[in-house]
Amino acid sequence: AQSVTQLDSHVSVSEGTPVLLRCNYSSSYSPSLFWYVQHPNKGLQLLLKYTSAATLVKGINGFEAEFKKSETSFHLTKPSAHMSDAAEYFCVVRDAAGNKLTFGGGTRVLVKP
Amino acid sequence: EPEVTQTPSHQVTQMGQEVILRCVPISNHLYFYWYRQILGQKVEFLVSFYNNEISEKSEIFDDQFSVERPDGSNFTLKIRSTKLEDSAMYFCASSTGVGETQYFGPGTRLLVL
Repeated sequence: AQSVTQLDSHVSVSEGTPVLLRCNYSSSYSPSLFWYVQHPNKGLQLLLKYTSAATLVKGINGFEAEFKKSETSFHLTKPSAHMSDAAEYFCVVRDAAGNKLTFGGGTRVLVKP
Repeated sequence: EPEVTQTPSHQVTQMGQEVILRCVPISNHLYFYWYRQILGQKVEFLVSFYNNEISEKSEIFDDQFSVERPDGSNFTLKIRSTKLEDSAMYFCASSTGVGETQYFGPGTRLLVL
């Protein structure tokens, strides 16, 4: 069985400073991993995905994530936060059959001016 | 850009009533999914659907739940006799194939009184 743990339920950053959202996963196979973002009253939008190619994955809006197998981590970073980054972020692992997504608990990001 | 849509955005119902949540997946997608998020809990997989039949379901998806693709565009989730614990945000998603990116709708917030 697979699982995902997001280590912070809330993160507060100042505009222009780096953002780090931490995610650890558990999986019995080589996983596919995703970060989704949800802005208020919007659907879950895919930020980026890792599917066993390059371990450093670049996504939309300046986000990137690094897959570290030895640490079973897939942390999300952005060098400089923008006010529009305020949202909830979900780390997600996909099962081996490719059907079911397992979500972390989410990290709510607050960006202060 | 094509997107998944869901109606209604909010639904309030009395315990024991039937509800139908509606989704319009992206038009060329073949795989459809329902997930739900109870307030304060993780997003959970309910069911996946392909070629007019359920391909996988979770233990949550018991006999009170059913899914249907009644026409070429809609995908519905029916809850036959709602319980208080069915109160949650329900997300629909679709993908072009197994193992492909799942695109999510904005959700329907269901409140059972």
